[in-house]
Amino acid sequence: DAGVTQSPTHLIKTRGQQVTLRCSPKSGHDTVSWYQQALGQGPQFIFQYYEEEERQRGNFPDRFSGHQFPNYSSELNVNALLLGDSALYLCASSLTAGGSTDTQYFGPGTRLTVL
Amino acid sequence: AQSVAQPEDQVNVAEGNPLTVKCTYSVSGNPYLFWYVQYPNRGLQFLLKYITGDNLVKGSYGFEAEFNKSQTSFHLKKPSALVSDSALYFCAVRDSFYNTDKLIFGTGTRLQVFP
Repeated sequence: DAGVTQSPTHLIKTRGQQVTLRCSPKSGHDTVSWYQQALGQGPQFIFQYYEEEERQRGNFPDRFSGHQFPNYSSELNVNALLLGDSALYLCASSLTAGGSTDTQYFGPGTRLTVL
Repeated sequence: AQSVAQPEDQVNVAEGNPLTVKCTYSVSGNPYLFWYVQYPNRGLQFLLKYITGDNLVKGSYGFEAEFNKSQTSFHLKKPSALVSDSALYFCAVRDSFYNTDKLIFGTGTRLQVFP
C-alpha cells in the first residue's frame, strides 16, 4: 500500500518564475493539505482540498494556488516566485468522514530552491 | 487562537536512558494533539495522537505521550532511548475552529541520543 507520494523531489527556480508541485494521497484518502516548512521552522498550513474544492486557507498570498483532481491527487502552484518561497513543501493526506478529517499522513516533501 | 509550544530546541540523552520531549498547548475547546517525527531530508512521520480517553497514549516505535489537562501539556516519552531515535520532533494541535482540521505545529525539538 503506497503512502503519500510527491514529485519532484527537488526543484531549482529563479525569482519570478512559476512552479507546480504534485501530490498523490495515500490509498483510501480523499483530503489533501499542503504545508510549507522553512528551514529551522515547523510546517505552516497553506490550504486544504476536499471534493475538488479549497476548504480552508492559511495566511499565504494569492500567488499560492492549488487544485484537486477527481482521483484525489493535488497540485500546488506558486507564481512570481520570491527568494522567501524557498522551503520544503509537504503534502498530507487524510480521510474526511462525518465532516471531520482523521490523522494526516505526510509525503516526503519537495525541496524548492529559489535563486 | 490554538497554539503549541515546544520549550526546548534540543534534548540530549544517552542511549538506554528514558527520554522526554516537552509540549504545552493552548486551545479553546477539546484539544486534538499529535506528535510527528522528521528524519533528515524526509517528510513527517506520524507517531501518536490524543483525541479523547486515556491520558497515556501509546504510539509507534515504543513512544508514548501523557496528556495532562491541568498543566496543558502533552509530553512525548520513551522508556529507553535508541541512537536511531535521533531526529526532529514536532508537536501539533488540530485547529477545528473552521472544521477543516488544519494542523498547527510547534517549532520542533531536536533529539540527540548519544551511544
